[in-house]
Amino acid sequence: ELKVEQNPLFLSMQEGKNYTIYCNYSTTSDRLYWYRQDPGKSLESLFVLLSNGAVKQEGRLMASLDTKARLSTLHITAAVHDLSATYFCAVTKETSGSRLTFGEGTQLTVNP
Amino acid sequence: DGGITQSPKYLFRKEGQNVTLSCEQNLNHDAMYWYRQDPGQGLRLIYYSQIVNDFQKGDIAEGYSVSREKKESFPLTVTSAQKNPTAFYLCASSETGISGYTFGSGTRLTVV
Repeated sequence: ELKVEQNPLFLSMQEGKNYTIYCNYSTTSDRLYWYRQDPGKSLESLFVLLSNGAVKQEGRLMASLDTKARLSTLHITAAVHDLSATYFCAVTKETSGSRLTFGEGTQLTVNP
Repeated sequence: DGGITQSPKYLFRKEGQNVTLSCEQNLNHDAMYWYRQDPGQGLRLIYYSQIVNDFQKGDIAEGYSVSREKKESFPLTVTSAQKNPTAFYLCASSETGISGYTFGSGTRLTVV
């Protein structure tokens, strides 16, 4: 059974600081996704990581994938208040019908 | 513009009542999914369908039913057998073999 774990689950940080969210998954997977969710809203796609060593960056967010360690990281650089949200990682495995399996989410609060 | 439409946005259910959540997509995607999200938690898969007239149970299918009579539509019925249906429900679609999932805006179901 594919399981996905994120840590930390709650993260409070100051503006201007850097931090990393970790996402571990239990078995080999095909693709890894990062999503953002604002309160009461749907999911916004941030990154899709397809292969070992993949790195993608958008603004202050950078995601990477290490398939050997079954680990993805979402690095936040010089955080700003607008980044406050819940961040989810999710993985797919084609033998499971391309269904997404989600982590519990990391609730990020960026304080002035 | 292509996308997924979920309706209604808010839904109230009385004890013992069946209710149906609508999900329609005009993206020509083969696969569709229903997820449930409880407060402060990740998304859990209820049902998914990879092709018309076929669907599979996800991790928490008990008390729910679906149909896939048309490629564009994947309605979810919450039956009276689901004892704790209060949650946020998200519908998603994807094109088989291609990365990327599109999520609807969600339906918030409350038992009154």
